[in-house]
Amino acid sequence: DAKTTQPPSMDCAEGRAANLPCNHSTISGNEYVYWYRQIHSQGPQYIIHGLKNNETNEMASLIITEDRKSSTLILPHATLRDTAVYYCIVRVSSWGSGSARQLTFGSGTQLTVLP
Amino acid sequence: NAGVTQTPKFQVLKTGQSMTLQCAQDMNHNSMYWYRQDPGMGLRLIYYSASEGTTDKGEVPNGYNVSRLNKREFSLRLESAAPSQTSVYFCASRARTGELAKNIQYFGAGTRLSVL
Repeated sequence: DAKTTQPPSMDCAEGRAANLPCNHSTISGNEYVYWYRQIHSQGPQYIIHGLKNNETNEMASLIITEDRKSSTLILPHATLRDTAVYYCIVRVSSWGSGSARQLTFGSGTQLTVLP
Repeated sequence: NAGVTQTPKFQVLKTGQSMTLQCAQDMNHNSMYWYRQDPGMGLRLIYYSASEGTTDKGEVPNGYNVSRLNKREFSLRLESAAPSQTSVYFCASRARTGELAKNIQYFGAGTRLSVL
């Protein structure tokens, strides 16, 4: 799985867009970009994933650069409840037989939404 | 739709005591996982079950056993608890086939275990 690099922390004003970057310069052609977050004392929560096109769902938007070496998770109108650690994970989509395919969470970005 | 439910939410054990952490999912998922998370660290896989009737070791299986009781339930047992097993334990599940097989795991709220 490709290695990812994220800033350790970011602040964002409530109501503004939060833009969380992730660098994955060694990503290969069959690897997807996934974003999860972990709110304090809760289990990780899936947010969004993408291969090469930009994606949007009810939670966030994912912008992947044309060369796929970096991506940005956008929370369009951050709220205090969005304060969490955000994890960028790069993985192949298919499963090999007998493979655990555990998710490996790095250190992530601590996003603090300020009132 | 409850998703992934873990019980208990909190537990304090003495060294040497045993206990079972329960996990159940109502999403008809094939694969289930047990992770532990220590303070300031990422999740580490303890055991997983790719489908009903199968279990396999993950990264840190020593001191634990698991049972995939049926498709819904996957339990984690500590036979003789040690202080090093003080941690937060998360259960997760994932659909295995089709469009849903895209590294999307759904996590429970966690069990906070302290071993004194």
